[in-house]
Amino acid sequence: GQNIDQPTEMTATEGAIVQINCTYQTSGFNGLFWYQQHAGEAPTFLSYNVLDGLEEKGRFSSFLSRSKGYSYLLLKELQMKDSASYLCAGMDSNYQLIWGAGTKLIIKP
Amino acid sequence: DAMVIQNPRYQVTQFGKPVTLSCSQTLNHNVMYWYQQKSSQAPKLLFHYYDKDFNNEADTPDNFQSRRPNTSFCFLDIRSPGLGDAAMYLCATSRANEGPNTEAFFGQGTRLTVV
Repeated sequence: GQNIDQPTEMTATEGAIVQINCTYQTSGFNGLFWYQQHAGEAPTFLSYNVLDGLEEKGRFSSFLSRSKGYSYLLLKELQMKDSASYLCAGMDSNYQLIWGAGTKLIIKP
Repeated sequence: DAMVIQNPRYQVTQFGKPVTLSCSQTLNHNVMYWYQQKSSQAPKLLFHYYDKDFNNEADTPDNFQSRRPNTSFCFLDIRSPGLGDAAMYLCATSRANEGPNTEAFFGQGTRLTVV
């Protein structure tokens, strides 16, 4: 079956770094997406990885290891506005997104 | 500028009373999706359109129907809402025929309350 696993909740301190992990199992693989979702709002796109390695985009970076079925999202210099849920989604061979339940990130001052 | 627009943002409906949620897009994307998302859960795909081709997920209840009269608009009809249908409904679009890096663009969502 297809499955995305990520932690339910994480807590970090303003200004610090946090890494949110995701493991995936999909039927075929066409990439791994990370979305940010603030409470009561729609998900917004953060990153896409299809090749192994690290993709950096400002304070956010995303890493992929296809052999391990593993990805992480790295957030640096955390700000209070980064408090949100972070959704990991794998794209299968039919280009359908398989979603994780999201990791709720709580930022403390 | 909003690219995927959902109306209304908040909808209250009575138990058993049909309700329609709407979605429009200005991106000219060929794929449109409807997701249901309950609190602290992953978005659950209900169905999607690839152009005019309708694709229903196997576990989507018959109570949920959809229409896509043209590229820009898509509707979600809930024929007889139950209390368990209270959720956020998300519309999304993508360009599925342009390779795998086809991020989904989401509307703001419609939060449905059933009373």
